[in-house]
Amino acid sequence: DVKVTQSSRYLVKRTGEKVFLECVQDMDHENMFWYRQDPGLGLRLIYFSYDVKMKEKGDIPEGYSVSREKKERFSLILESASTNQTSMYLCASSFQQGIVQPQHFGDGTRLSIL
Amino acid sequence: QKEVEQNSGPLSVPEGAIASLNCTYSDRVSQSFFWYRQYSGKSPELIMSIYSNGDKEDGRFTAQLNKASQYVSLLIRDTQPSDSATYLCAGPKAGNNRKLIWGLGTSLAVNP
Repeated sequence: DVKVTQSSRYLVKRTGEKVFLECVQDMDHENMFWYRQDPGLGLRLIYFSYDVKMKEKGDIPEGYSVSREKKERFSLILESASTNQTSMYLCASSFQQGIVQPQHFGDGTRLSIL
Repeated sequence: QKEVEQNSGPLSVPEGAIASLNCTYSDRVSQSFFWYRQYSGKSPELIMSIYSNGDKEDGRFTAQLNKASQYVSLLIRDTQPSDSATYLCAGPKAGNNRKLIWGLGTSLAVNP
């Protein structure tokens, strides 16, 4: 079974703080993704990575950065947290093959910025 | 037109009935699809993949892909209260098989 582990289920931070969300997968997947999910807005892609040290912006990258130093780990960084970044954050991973492969999700981190 | 569209629902069915969930997509989406189930407060869980035209069955679930009409559906037979969740469909962006385009999801309520 694919295991995607996010470091925290719930996190409370203050505005202006630098916030790190960590994600680890154990299936040697090439692709890793960070989404946020808000009511009525669905899943929105923040960043994804297709290889170590490689990344691409998603649909809403502003205010975020990412790091992928090892294949199994993908970190999301909120450079200076703001209240509008309060959300559910979901990490996912997938194999890269000729035909598209499904993404597998971690349990999510519910982040509150006060 | 949105790239992947789903009726938000809620779709309400009595226990034991068949639930039919639908998804339409634009030319900007390639024609392979995934169905995910998401319980409230939880993360999405893959339940079906479909890559070719026609039907694919797995237990109580059947996915149907109609490429000519650009829709994909999920049928759930003998529904149980535990099937109450939001169902998301997703397909790859045309020309990029790494990223998925997500529908907003359909909420299903199965009433005992």
